[in-house]
Amino acid sequence: DAKTTQPPSMDCAEGRAANLPCNHSTISGNEYVYWYRQIHSQGPQYIIHGLKNNETNEMASLIITEDRKSSTLILPHATLRDTAVYYCIVRVANNNNDMRFGAGTRLTVKP
Amino acid sequence: DAGVIQSPRHEVTEMGQEVTLRCKPISGHDYLFWYRQTMMRGLELLIYFNNNVPIDDSGMPEDRFSAKMPNASFSTLKIQPSEPRDSAVYFCASSLAPTSGNTIYFGEGSWLTVV
Repeated sequence: DAKTTQPPSMDCAEGRAANLPCNHSTISGNEYVYWYRQIHSQGPQYIIHGLKNNETNEMASLIITEDRKSSTLILPHATLRDTAVYYCIVRVANNNNDMRFGAGTRLTVKP
Repeated sequence: DAGVIQSPRHEVTEMGQEVTLRCKPISGHDYLFWYRQTMMRGLELLIYFNNNVPIDDSGMPEDRFSAKMPNASFSTLKIQPSEPRDSAVYFCASSLAPTSGNTIYFGEGSWLTVV
């Protein structure tokens, strides 16, 4: 499986967009990019996923580069409740045991 | 939907005691996962089931750990005997069949402290 590289921590001002990068330079053609987050003392929460096209839902947008070697999760208007650890995961769609979590990025949203 | 339900939320037990963690997956989900999270090792997959059958238990740390899924709505993770190094948060998760659109949904975790 492709490994991912994320910055260990980031800060963001409340109300501003939070842009969380992820490098996955060895991603395979059949691997999706998934984003989860974990708020303190809670279980991981699914945010969004994509294969090659950019994706948007009510929580966030996912921008995947054309070569698929990196992606960015965008929280358009960060709130204090978005403070969490954000995990970028690459995973073959039909292989459930490949949901491997790295260290993630600890995002702190500041007032 | 109530989501994945785990119990107990918190447990403190003495070394050597048996610990049983319980999980009720989301109704209709046919995959169930047990994860363990520690500061040192992060979030690790221990075992997962498909249609109540264990598929991959390669992440189970040792024989002291066992997991069962007697029916589609219930699973247990048992540690016997427990040791202080088992202290961690144990998450149960479930999902539908693995296709491109399905994701894994986690419970709130069981916080285990072995003293």
